[in-house]
Amino acid sequence: QKEVEQDPGPLSVPEGAIVSLNCTYSNSAFQYFMWYRQYSRKGPELLMYTYSSGNKEDGRFTAQVDKSSKYISLFIRDSQPSDSATYLCAMSRPQGAQKLVFGQGTRLTINP
Amino acid sequence: DGGITQSPKYLFRKEGQNVTLSCEQNLNHDAMYWYRQDPGQGLRLIYYSQIVNDFQKGDIAEGYSVSREKKESFPLTVTSAQKNPTAFYLCASSEAYNEQFFGPGTRLTVL
Repeated sequence: QKEVEQDPGPLSVPEGAIVSLNCTYSNSAFQYFMWYRQYSRKGPELLMYTYSSGNKEDGRFTAQVDKSSKYISLFIRDSQPSDSATYLCAMSRPQGAQKLVFGQGTRLTINP
Repeated sequence: DGGITQSPKYLFRKEGQNVTLSCEQNLNHDAMYWYRQDPGQGLRLIYYSQIVNDFQKGDIAEGYSVSREKKESFPLTVTSAQKNPTAFYLCASSEAYNEQFFGPGTRLTVL
């Protein structure tokens, strides 16, 4: 079993829809959680960074962490065609915290 | 203009050849990392370095080597011992822990 599971999609939604992206994990020691956006043939771009449980909002993006369920989510409101990309979740432990463990990535397409 | 640069953008390797991928950062970050990404897969850690003149193996270090002689530079050599090197290679850096910032990547293809 992988430490981090992420549905690879592809996920296709109409413009303006609310998008929900999710990851589950098995290691309860994970404390830091990140979401990256990666456009085709580009390096990943950090979108959201959260510590432990709770919500964090930044513009149209909201990240949620539920440590009791070992489940993290990224919500995108008022989705735009420019949001079409692959979204990668990543997480790490406090000890050796620099070693990120990534999900497989979800390919998202927003249709105009 | 701070950031991470990788060169070349595209690289072609012949069988049995060693090639070196360049990674430079001007963010003054202590830690640097190399990842490999295969189609439809997440990133896998090859090597990382927390300080100059020190580095550790990641999850898939076999067939790769690195050096960290300067804070801003962390080159990766893909040796002939790496049997399946065709992939997208990403370099990242971070200050202290966690928030890693990535370069634009190098796409390596074996001819």
